[in-house]
Amino acid sequence: GQQLNQSPQSMFIQEGEDVSMNCTSSSIFNTWLWYKQEPGEGPVLLIALYKAGELTSNGRLTAQFGITRKDSFLNISASIPSDVGIYFCAGEGPISSGSARQLTFGSGTQLTVLP
Amino acid sequence: DAGVIQSPRHEVTEMGQEVTLRCKPISGHDYLFWYRQTMMRGLELLIYFNNNVPIDDSGMPEDRFSAKMPNASFSTLKIQPSEPRDSAVYFCASSFGTIYEQYFGPGTRLTVT
Repeated sequence: GQQLNQSPQSMFIQEGEDVSMNCTSSSIFNTWLWYKQEPGEGPVLLIALYKAGELTSNGRLTAQFGITRKDSFLNISASIPSDVGIYFCAGEGPISSGSARQLTFGSGTQLTVLP
Repeated sequence: DAGVIQSPRHEVTEMGQEVTLRCKPISGHDYLFWYRQTMMRGLELLIYFNNNVPIDDSGMPEDRFSAKMPNASFSTLKIQPSEPRDSAVYFCASSFGTIYEQYFGPGTRLTVT
């Protein structure tokens, strides 16, 4: 099963508003990534974070790797209709001996932008 | 450049039938991943390959599922026999040099009746 808790599960916002979503885990992750999935498509990588405390932007998107390495958040500023989709966090881990490295995905945040 | 290519995009089959899903990774990528996505369980890693060698298949549900990567440009995921609970969207993804920055295909929506 998944070990990442992503919130909120869904959001309805007005166009132009800022959005914030986060992802937490009880385990330490080495890497955090944020993906966006639109209907009928596969997830698309938005931002990758490799160091604790790292803050990275991609246009109107900003993501941070939590200092404890157990959380990450994604902000979207000045939302527009094409921001609609499901946003997934993903982390490499959790760290355990003998396990192959892989990404674990959160359950997603469904974002709806109202005109 | 072409992205990850999956076929078919949609598959409807009857319980007990064999299903084969196909994936062509991005040229030059050395990692290939198979995921399954359902409403109940979200996005789950089934298996991944590095340089055509299976590295982790701990996510493969049971013996009915098998995956192969005969060369760097092709992989298959086979379900035999299929069951209604296998209904899901199956994604293939690939990456270069790392497991992190994965590029996903459009997925195959499988319905088993």
